[in-house]
Amino acid sequence: QSVLTQPPSVSAAPGQKVTISCSGSSSNIGNNYVCWYQQLPGTAPKLLIYDNNKRPSGIPDRFSGSKSGTSATLGITGLQTGDEADYYCGTWDNSLSAFWVFGGGTKLTVL
Amino acid sequence: EVQLVESGGGLVQPGESLRFSCTASGFTFSNYWMSWVRQAPGKGLEWVANIKQDGSEKFYVDSVKGRFIISRDNAKNSLYLQMNSLRAEDTAFYYCARVSSLTTFDFWGQGTLATVSS
Repeated sequence: QSVLTQPPSVSAAPGQKVTISCSGSSSNIGNNYVCWYQQLPGTAPKLLIYDNNKRPSGIPDRFSGSKSGTSATLGITGLQTGDEADYYCGTWDNSLSAFWVFGGGTKLTVL
Repeated sequence: EVQLVESGGGLVQPGESLRFSCTASGFTFSNYWMSWVRQAPGKGLEWVANIKQDGSEKFYVDSVKGRFIISRDNAKNSLYLQMNSLRAEDTAFYYCARVSSLTTFDFWGQGTLATVSS
């Protein structure tokens, strides 16, 4: 059971928009920045969004992040087949034995 | 270009040990906290351990405390994870990751697989 809650899967057609939610609590998302990671099949995770809504160099602006209270959201517009991947949210947790926590991951299928 | 390259994975029996190494390049290794994150096959990510720039502070997830030891050698730009008393549930890909801020792992290695099975 992951500390942060994500939907197991989402799907949408090419060109469409999709959002992935990440729910936590005041000890994690509520008081800390959130990151999002993309893991393409058979590869290592890659930083997609940091500090809730910032994109590292090289990440297209089709990817966006937001946070409100104890939840965060990843948005992807103009979906491409190459976006099919697992997406994970992550942050610091002030209270638990695992200081850095992740969501269980969401598998994005581009139909 | 930042690169993190892990090595040391393999198949061991329960109770045995493994040592992973991660060699960093493309950045000043001694300026960053470093981390190990693992992923059981087909499962999600789990943070395992972190170490401060000078090695003076280390943190572990509860499930590995007393069994795993994270260390680093800044002269060799290398991060290590000594895993003792391995259990079947430690079977996973282990990723070395650079910590760029309190909440961000900004670069990850390609991962190395530890399989614990009798």
